[in-house]
Amino acid sequence: AQSVTQLGSHVSVSEGALVLLRCNYSSSVPPYLFWYVQYPNQGLQLLLKYTTGATLVKGINGFEAEFKKSETSFHLTKPSAHMSDAAEYFCAVSGRGAQKLVFGQGTRLTINP
Amino acid sequence: DGGITQSPKYLFRKEGQNVTLSCEQNLNHDAMYWYRQDPGQGLRLIYYSQIVNDFQKGDIAEGYSVSREKKESFPLTVTSAQKNPTAFYLCASSTLPGQSYEQYFGPGTRLTVT
Repeated sequence: AQSVTQLGSHVSVSEGALVLLRCNYSSSVPPYLFWYVQYPNQGLQLLLKYTTGATLVKGINGFEAEFKKSETSFHLTKPSAHMSDAAEYFCAVSGRGAQKLVFGQGTRLTINP
Repeated sequence: DGGITQSPKYLFRKEGQNVTLSCEQNLNHDAMYWYRQDPGQGLRLIYYSQIVNDFQKGDIAEGYSVSREKKESFPLTVTSAQKNPTAFYLCASSTLPGQSYEQYFGPGTRLTVT
């Protein structure tokens, strides 16, 4: 069984500040981990994914995430927030042999000018 | 361009009516999925299909039905038995698990039932 917990349903940062969105997972098999972004009234877009190999994963729009097995975490970061980063972000987990993704509840990111 | 099409973008129905949401993909993906999204609840899986003429219930299948007669198409019917049908519905597709695990999403259909 797999599950995802996103800490903080709403995160607010200033433009230019560090963005940190937290994701912890539980998985009975080696996990595959994903971050998606959703803009209002749109579908989800894949930001980045971890399957195997390098634990620091770089994605689109300057985002990156690090897989930490010992902490069962996959936090999303961006060094400098931009107004266009305002959106909802979802962490998801799957795994070898799994047939579906399990999503977290989402974190709404607000950027203050 | 390859992608997933959902139509219509907005849909309004009267209570007691069945309504069918369209989902088409030209990515040559084998697997397709339907999710429901409500504020603060993330995405909940309704149905998924990994092959034509076969599909499985997800976590909240009650009041919904699907068909998979073609690889490219996976329509969702919201029946009158669904108690709270007003929501944002998202369709997704992927290659089969073991090949690639990420899902690609359509733009969504916002259904309002009054």
